[in-house]
Amino acid sequence: EAQVTQNPRYLITVTGKKLTVTCSQNMNHEYMSWYRQDPGLGLRQIYYSMNVEVTDKGDVPEGYKVSRKEKRNFPLILESPSPNQTSLYFCASSLSRDYEQYFGPGTRLTVT
Amino acid sequence: GDSVTQMEGPVTLSEEAFLTINCTYTATGYPSLFWYVQYPGEGLQLLLKATKADDKGSNKGFEATYRKETTSFHLEKGSVQVSDSAVYFCALSVRGSNTGKLIFGQGTTLQVKP
Repeated sequence: EAQVTQNPRYLITVTGKKLTVTCSQNMNHEYMSWYRQDPGLGLRQIYYSMNVEVTDKGDVPEGYKVSRKEKRNFPLILESPSPNQTSLYFCASSLSRDYEQYFGPGTRLTVT
Repeated sequence: GDSVTQMEGPVTLSEEAFLTINCTYTATGYPSLFWYVQYPGEGLQLLLKATKADDKGSNKGFEATYRKETTSFHLEKGSVQVSDSAVYFCALSVRGSNTGKLIFGQGTTLQVKP
């Protein structure tokens, strides 16, 4: 089944403890992206990747890192999480940047 | 800048009622338009899309027509079911943009009562 998977689905952590949210797609998509969803602010792009080893900042990249070493994986790294990074995170992928994007199930992160 | 505006919710309907959720957009380039649906506790699912003016996207009884003259992409369904209760997002992407990002509306919550 064609899908985007994310892990973990739920995570509660403390300020400053490094964490990684994994994202994987099995559709051989070139383009991948991370969004965060917050009440009243909607969905905002954090980082995106056009292809392997090609990543760039979106609208809200502060406090996040990404890597794209393989085509299928696009992990989101929070080196030192803070409470303002408490949010619902979505990974998405598409054939290329001009095509429809397919989303993962989301990761709900709480930073205390 | 590019933006999407949706009608505010929640929208509450009885089963078998007609649904319209309004969506208008502003885009500097030539956008593709999408409707996504988010069921409780789940991720966003692509519901339908349209990539050029006058295109009609359709899926699961939902339809939306890309109207360039009114910069609109309203979502419609002739007869809603309780299972359609969800949050609906209108979104656009501008072809050839540097980021490829989707720009979303704020979402409209639909509640369908039996």
